[in-house]
Amino acid sequence: GAGVSQSPSNKVTEKGKDVELRCDPISGHTALYWYRQSLGQGLEFLIYFQGNSAPDKSGLPSDRFSAERTGGSVSTLTIQRTQQEDSAVYLCASSLRGQSTGELFFGEGSRLTVL
Amino acid sequence: AQSVTQLGSHVSVSEGALVLLRCNYSSSVPPYLFWYVQYPNQGLQLLLKYTTGATLVKGINGFEAEFKKSETSFHLTKPSAHMSDAAEYFCAVSGNTGFQKLVFGTGTRLLVSP
Repeated sequence: GAGVSQSPSNKVTEKGKDVELRCDPISGHTALYWYRQSLGQGLEFLIYFQGNSAPDKSGLPSDRFSAERTGGSVSTLTIQRTQQEDSAVYLCASSLRGQSTGELFFGEGSRLTVL
Repeated sequence: AQSVTQLGSHVSVSEGALVLLRCNYSSSVPPYLFWYVQYPNQGLQLLLKYTTGATLVKGINGFEAEFKKSETSFHLTKPSAHMSDAAEYFCAVSGNTGFQKLVFGTGTRLLVSP
């Protein structure tokens, strides 16, 4: 597709369940980012992938959160043993380069609701 | 480390009125500054950015912002609001070397009334 694609667009789960969120970046973009958007909290950086380099995981809030990027393209964010405070919109973005020039292209997000 | 403060979670203007969305930043290194816009049910898109050079930068849809180092500000303006400008606006900052993640503000929702 032309843009960053995320799935599912909405996910409702029960506390304690695991969830997987998928991101398909723009073709050819080497950098991929995950952010979390909570009401009134702005966007919180979670993790960054650049090519084959080790990812920057400094924003992951706990060890229940993990992410991988297979073949330098699609990425999956996994949240284990979900908690109610994990409810948020999870945004994926990609860019041509890893430099922080700000030209990130965002997907529409995956809205996660933990009951 | 970088941080951004956006004053006012909501700003209301009438159609045709001046739009002013405030952003102040803190950065330990020379910053790159950005404004992103999020229209309802859409992803964020880049509105404009300041990296180096001219401190007054122009973006899409008639928006502009001025980098004022002495005031640590990067306020977003538009002379005349349009109904289609109703959206959420995010200011963001990063450092200017290598990969430094974008740090976003909490956002300002712009409401435009007829």
